[in-house]
Amino acid sequence: KAGVTQTPRYLIKTRGQQVTLSCSPISGHRSVSWYQQTPGQGLQFLFEYFSETQRNKGNFPGRFSGRQFSNSRSEMNVSTLELGDSALYLCASSLAIGARDLIYQYYNEQFFGPGTRLTVL
Amino acid sequence: KQEVTQIPAALSVPEGENLVLNCSFTDSAIYNLQWFRQDPGKGLTSLLLIQSSQREQTSGRLNASLDKSSGRSTLYIAASQPGDSATYLCAVGSGAGSYQLTFGKGTKLSVIP
Repeated sequence: KAGVTQTPRYLIKTRGQQVTLSCSPISGHRSVSWYQQTPGQGLQFLFEYFSETQRNKGNFPGRFSGRQFSNSRSEMNVSTLELGDSALYLCASSLAIGARDLIYQYYNEQFFGPGTRLTVL
Repeated sequence: KQEVTQIPAALSVPEGENLVLNCSFTDSAIYNLQWFRQDPGKGLTSLLLIQSSQREQTSGRLNASLDKSSGRSTLYIAASQPGDSATYLCAVGSGAGSYQLTFGKGTKLSVIP
């Protein structure tokens, strides 16, 4: 069974540009979350999607956005890139099923992809 | 706001030793807790998931415990091997009316042959 895949694996952009990152979850997984990892701040939650709806968003500016498609694949977009956006962007997927699907305590294990390393010059 | 702390930040042990990694969190209203391993420049590998109603989980040489009331979790690694060298991350699943993982800064483990 294929794991979570992320493309591209590496990106180099300049300040002011925009970037789109892609994430394909494990087959059958309906929830996709995005995280940013930097040496200073560690791992921080960006947003979570389930059935094409954003259900939760972290404390990031509006330049960070995302979406999920009907096949559960997700993209995140960062506009007007800043030097501080240089980071490893990780995507995670989970089944998100249980006796009560929409109750978070029945959330299943989160599986992470290899990440996209974004460098902003 | 949920905060997760991991102690120690770094640990170096000789091969074969048993070791314990610690994780504490400030808000006991959690849904679950997950331990991950991260190798340099790589993504996260899930090791163990403990639901809030559980006390511990075991997988091979790994055992994780959860004491929700005191806001603590431990990851026990038996008979450490050089291949265990990595950064270990503790993440708490929580949120009022929502869900997100809040991560600690990790413990960097080095197992010396």
